[in-house]
Order: sequence, then C-alpha cells, then structure tokens
Amino acid sequence: QLVLVQSGAEIKIPGASVQVSCTTSQNTFTGHYVHWVRQAPGRGPEWMGQINPNTGGTAYAQKFRGRVTISRDTSIRTAYMELSILRSDDTAVYYCATEDCTSSTCQKSFDSWGQGTLVTVST
Amino acid sequence: QSALAQPPSASGSPGQSLTISCTGASSDIGAYNFVSWYQQHPGKAPKLMIYEVTKRPSGVPDRFSGSKSGNTASLTVSRLQAEDEADYYCSSFAGTNNPYVFGTGTKVTVL
Repeated sequence: QLVLVQSGAEIKIPGASVQVSCTTSQNTFTGHYVHWVRQAPGRGPEWMGQINPNTGGTAYAQKFRGRVTISRDTSIRTAYMELSILRSDDTAVYYCATEDCTSSTCQKSFDSWGQGTLVTVST
Repeated sequence: QSALAQPPSASGSPGQSLTISCTGASSDIGAYNFVSWYQQHPGKAPKLMIYEVTKRPSGVPDRFSGSKSGNTASLTVSRLQAEDEADYYCSSFAGTNNPYVFGTGTKVTVL
C-alpha cells in the first residue's frame, strides 16, 4: 500500500477552477494507477477519472468529460486533478486513490487513499 | 451510469452476523468479477475491505467475506464487533466507457 498525501482545503467561487495534488511518499507510483474519487456531503463516493503514471494515459467518467483534467509529474511523485467551471454542487471531499496493477491484470479496486481535500464552492 | 443499490441501514448485536446487499445490472456486477467493498468511518477516507468479489487485502479480518450471484453482490460481516460500526460502500467495474460505479451506501450499527 502507498501513503498518499493531498493538498489542503480550497474555497472557490462558482465558475472558477481548482487543482488538487496527491503525492506519494514512496519512490514512485510504479505498478499503480491513480484515481480521483469525490464524495459530496452525506453522499456516496463518485468516480471521476484515472491516470496511468507511467504513460500519462487517462480515462474520465462521462459526467466530468470536458471539465476535469488529471495529470502527473513523475519527477516529484505527484498526481493532479483539475476541475473547471465549478458549481455549488461540486462542493465535496476529493480523494486520490491507487489501484494495484502489479500483476498481469489490474485489480479494479482502490487499495490506498489520500486523506481527502475539501473543496467548497460558494459565493 | 446509475449508482448500485444498497439498503440504507443494517444492524446487529456484537457476535452476530449481518449481510449487506449491492444490486447492479448486467453491465456492471453481472458482467465482471470486479466487485469491491469499502468501510468508511466518519471523517475518514474509505478503506478497502474486499476486492475481486471475494478477496481480502492483507490486514483485513477474515470476519469480512464477499460473494456474488447474478447482478447482486453481498458483504457478510461475521462475529460483529463495535469497531465494525461504519458506512459500507460497494463498487463495481462497469466497462471502459464509464469504468467505475459505487453503491448508495449502508450504515451499519452495532447494537
């Protein structure tokens, strides 16, 4: 399991963008995909997208396509999630999480989680 | 993609067992053996308890077990303990177009 440390809480106005970072204390994300999952107050988790840190290849949930960008900087072991055109219903805790892809197939589950970053969208 | 359906709540006394259901569709739970379960205590990040329907990560007690039949997956918690009181969420892989869907969540209370 990896230890993931996320950036701090953010307060944004509607229409703005937010970027959340996720850094691993290990040498690298090697063997793991990085996912972003958000959880609105009192709601269940919602998958937003993923990145393969080795190739930079991404996939996004249909709901967020065009508004979310996931990237990484392997030199500093950090992944990023940027969400644009923020609305009040984007207020949520945003988590990064990793998926174990060290075997021949990825496990399609999230085995390590960051501590979460609260993003509040309000006027 | 609709959320997977879970009962809002479940409860049991210490030492008893309880089972939580998670109902999806033939395009997610029914199509793949990639169901996972997460435990979440208030104010904390989710914790992986079961992956690939039945497998337990290292460190998860064997009191937790998973199964699947058709479009419905289940999590069973045996020999309930006070620390099992938490919210539980299921998740399933759902194909490349919209890969992951989560459940609505079940609040487990240990009486």
